[in-house]
Amino acid sequence: AQSVTQLGSHVSVSEGALVLLRCNYSSSVPPYLFWYVQYPNQGLQLLLKYTSAATLVKGINGFEAEFKKSETSFHLTKPSAHMSDAAEYFCAVSNQAGTALIFGKGTTLSVSS
Amino acid sequence: DSGVTQTPKHLITATGQRVTLRCSPRSGDLSVYWYQQSLDQGLQFLIHYYNGEERAKGNILERFSAQQFPDLHSELNLSSLELGDSALYFCASSVEPRNTIYFGEGSWLTVV
Repeated sequence: AQSVTQLGSHVSVSEGALVLLRCNYSSSVPPYLFWYVQYPNQGLQLLLKYTSAATLVKGINGFEAEFKKSETSFHLTKPSAHMSDAAEYFCAVSNQAGTALIFGKGTTLSVSS
Repeated sequence: DSGVTQTPKHLITATGQRVTLRCSPRSGDLSVYWYQQSLDQGLQFLIHYYNGEERAKGNILERFSAQQFPDLHSELNLSSLELGDSALYFCASSVEPRNTIYFGEGSWLTVV
């Protein structure tokens, strides 16, 4: 079975600092990996996805993630945090049949001025 | 706006009751997914329908059922409700499996 583990349920950074949200996956086949963001009282919005093309994936709002097979990781980064980045972030892996997304438990990002 | 529409946005009901949550997928999307989000369980996949047929089942209770209609909208039926069923229920859609999945804004269910 495929799964993802998000390391750190809460990450706090200062405005302008690097954002690093960690995600490790478990999959017996080449995975499709995703990062979603959820702002308060809203649905999930796709930030970026990896589908076995380029290992460095660029997403919306300045976020990017790098697929590292040797480390089974798909960490999300942003060079400079904005206050508006404060939200909950979810890493997800598509199951083998591609019929469902399996989500991690989420990481809440706080940004202070 | 993702294009996925869910109704109602908020619902308060009593234990033992039955409710129906409705979802209209994005135009052209054949796949509909249902997820439950709660503080203790996180985001749990419930069920996936593709063009009217069930394609995958996740952690969906026997008290819950879903269907996708010929016009591709979907309904999630929750019966014999318990306090623990209080959660945010998301519908999502995609053109087909393995395509990008777009989420609605969810239906908040509170069971009292």
